[in-house]
Amino acid sequence: QKEVEQDPGPLSVPEGAIVSLNCTYSNSAFQYFMWYRQYSRKGPELLMYTYSSGNKEDGRFTAQVDKSSKYISLFIRDSQPSDSATYLCAATTDSWGKLQFGAGTQVVVTP
Amino acid sequence: GAVVSQHPSWVICKSGTSVKIECRSLDFQATTMFWYRQFPKQSLMLMATSNEGSKATYEQGVEKDKFLINHASLTLSTLTVTSAHPEDSSFYICSASPRDRGNNEQFFGPGTRLTVL
Repeated sequence: QKEVEQDPGPLSVPEGAIVSLNCTYSNSAFQYFMWYRQYSRKGPELLMYTYSSGNKEDGRFTAQVDKSSKYISLFIRDSQPSDSATYLCAATTDSWGKLQFGAGTQVVVTP
Repeated sequence: GAVVSQHPSWVICKSGTSVKIECRSLDFQATTMFWYRQFPKQSLMLMATSNEGSKATYEQGVEKDKFLINHASLTLSTLTVTSAHPEDSSFYICSASPRDRGNNEQFFGPGTRLTVL
């Protein structure tokens, strides 16, 4: 069993809709959680970085972490075609730990 | 800031040859760099962690004699795929952590697509 599980999609939404992405994890020692965006044939780009439980908002992006249920989410409001990409969640136990990535969810925002 | 480059962006080589991929942190010093590989529609798999001036730490199942890593300076790490075979064809991505920052602050390069014929 992978430590971080993520539905690979694809997830197709119309422009302007809210994109809802999530991951589950099994290692209760994870404390740092990240969301990366990866365009085709490019390296991942860090979108959101969260420590422990709670919400974090940055523009159109909101990240949520629920450690009690081992569930992490990313919401993208007012989605744009340029948001079409693969979104990867990642987690680690501490500042110096290895990142454990989910499989990535492909998102397609249609005009 | 925090830009990481990779060279080449893509390479095609014949089976049995060696290929070197460079990873550079352009505007910061990186004590630690990481090498990942990614197969189509799959996630990033960590291959090795490289620390400047010391030997790389390889993940279980990664052949260190096949994937040679050198981290000669605080801004450059190289991955050499020796005696490449078609099964080594993949997308190789490096990342770097700024000096004195945690490993979870990783900035990724654009990746190198390797195709072995």
